[in-house]
Amino acid sequence: AQKVTQAQTEISVVEKEDVTLDCVYETRDTTYYLFWYKQPPSGELVFLIRRNSFDEQNEISGRYSWNFQKSTSSFNFTITASQVVDSAVYFCALRLIQGAQKLVFGQGTRLTINP
Amino acid sequence: GAVVSQHPSWVICKSGTSVKIECRSLDFQATTMFWYRQFPKQSLMLMATSNEGSKATYEQGVEKDKFLINHASLTLSTLTVTSAHPEDSSFYICSASDGSYNEQFFGPGTRLTVL
Repeated sequence: AQKVTQAQTEISVVEKEDVTLDCVYETRDTTYYLFWYKQPPSGELVFLIRRNSFDEQNEISGRYSWNFQKSTSSFNFTITASQVVDSAVYFCALRLIQGAQKLVFGQGTRLTINP
Repeated sequence: GAVVSQHPSWVICKSGTSVKIECRSLDFQATTMFWYRQFPKQSLMLMATSNEGSKATYEQGVEKDKFLINHASLTLSTLTVTSAHPEDSSFYICSASDGSYNEQFFGPGTRLTVL
C-alpha cells in the first residue's frame, strides 16, 4: 500500500521568509506520480505540480521549487519570499502510474504567512 | 485546463433526508470520476471510484448503500447521501479523469451540513 506523510501539521512564518514543506512517501512500486496541491480557505484544490518517478530533476516555477529525492523518498516544496496569499493548506499526494488512478494524500500542512 | 463543476456548493439538510451532489466535467469526457470526503482540518479520503456505465468501486469502510454513486454519462457523476446523519457532515470533493492517467481535475467541493 502507498502512504504519504507530511510531518509538519502547521507552519507559521513572517512574510518574505522562505519556507519548506516536507513530504515523505512510501511505495513498493517503481513507477508513480507525485503531486502537490494547494487548498485555500475556499476549499477548492489547486494543482501545483506533478512529477513522475523517472524524473528526479528539481523544478522551479517562480517562487515555488520542488526537490525530489528518490534516495530518501522525499518530495519537498519550497516557497521563496513567501507572501500572505500563500497562506493555505498544502497537500502532497502519490499515485501509481499503473493500475488504479487512486490518489493517496498526505495529512496536509497548514501554512500561515503573517504580514 | 479542464473544468469540473459541482452542485450544489453547499447544502444544509435535516437528519434522515437524502442529498444528491452532482459532479460535471464541462469541457472533456470523464471516463473515471472519484469522490473524496474531507472532514474539518483533515486530509482528503477517497470514498469511491466510478467508471462511466459501470458500478462504482468503494474504498474499504465506505457504505455503498449509504453513499450511492451513479456515473451514467461521460460528463456527469452523482453522489447521493441517503438518510443523512450529522456525522455525514463533511466537505465532499469530486475529481474527474479523461483517461490520460496523468491528472485528475478537481471540482470546487460541496459542503454538506446535516442538522
